[in-house]
Amino acid sequence: EVQLVQSGAEVKKPGESLRISCKGSGYSFANYWIGWVRQMPGKGLEWMGIIYPGDSDTKYSPSLQGQVTLSADTSISTAYLQWSSLKASDSAMYYCATYAVAGTGWFDPWGQGTLVTVSS
Amino acid sequence: DVVMTQSPLSLPVTLGQPASISCRSSQSLVYSDGNIYLSWFHQRPGQSPRRLIYKVSSRDSGVPDRFSGSGSGTDFTLIISRVEAEDVGVYYCMQGTHWPHSFGQGTKLEIK
Repeated sequence: EVQLVQSGAEVKKPGESLRISCKGSGYSFANYWIGWVRQMPGKGLEWMGIIYPGDSDTKYSPSLQGQVTLSADTSISTAYLQWSSLKASDSAMYYCATYAVAGTGWFDPWGQGTLVTVSS
Repeated sequence: DVVMTQSPLSLPVTLGQPASISCRSSQSLVYSDGNIYLSWFHQRPGQSPRRLIYKVSSRDSGVPDRFSGSGSGTDFTLIISRVEAEDVGVYYCMQGTHWPHSFGQGTKLEIK
């Protein structure tokens, strides 16, 4: 069974750095794109970017380019989303999701989400 | 960037009645391989989104057959033939044809 398990909730202060993770299992992690989706409180889904773990090819949403960094470690089947300097507006739920292993297209399945709270 | 526009944004439905959600893209979603990467997702309160439909009209495994998708080019529709209580939540369309990929604003389905 393909599964994505994300790291736990985080509470940070503005200006701090953060890296959250998404561990894949049940499939060949290196060979399938993984994407990240932001959901701000009470709002809809926002596509942030994707990474191909096998060669670290990345594509970012233009609105978030430079604000976050995607990376992956194939040795431990884990993708990362990181910030170098958090802002209060980064407070949101963050989901990872993979390109379907069955070849049926984007974002199936999803991780359980990581809640990030940035507050002074 | 491709803009996905859903309507309605709020959809009150009586149990057992049909429901229809529209999704329009600002440009054609036909990819160079001939496929249309238009998906539908359902998000219940407090849960992660779950994909229901991929490539316009194919149902994911385990998705009840009361859910169906249709459309072409820039106009797409999700239909629930008979709404059940478990169908409440927010429905999103998403295009995976053009970078950056993008979601619709979401349609909140509630039971009348």
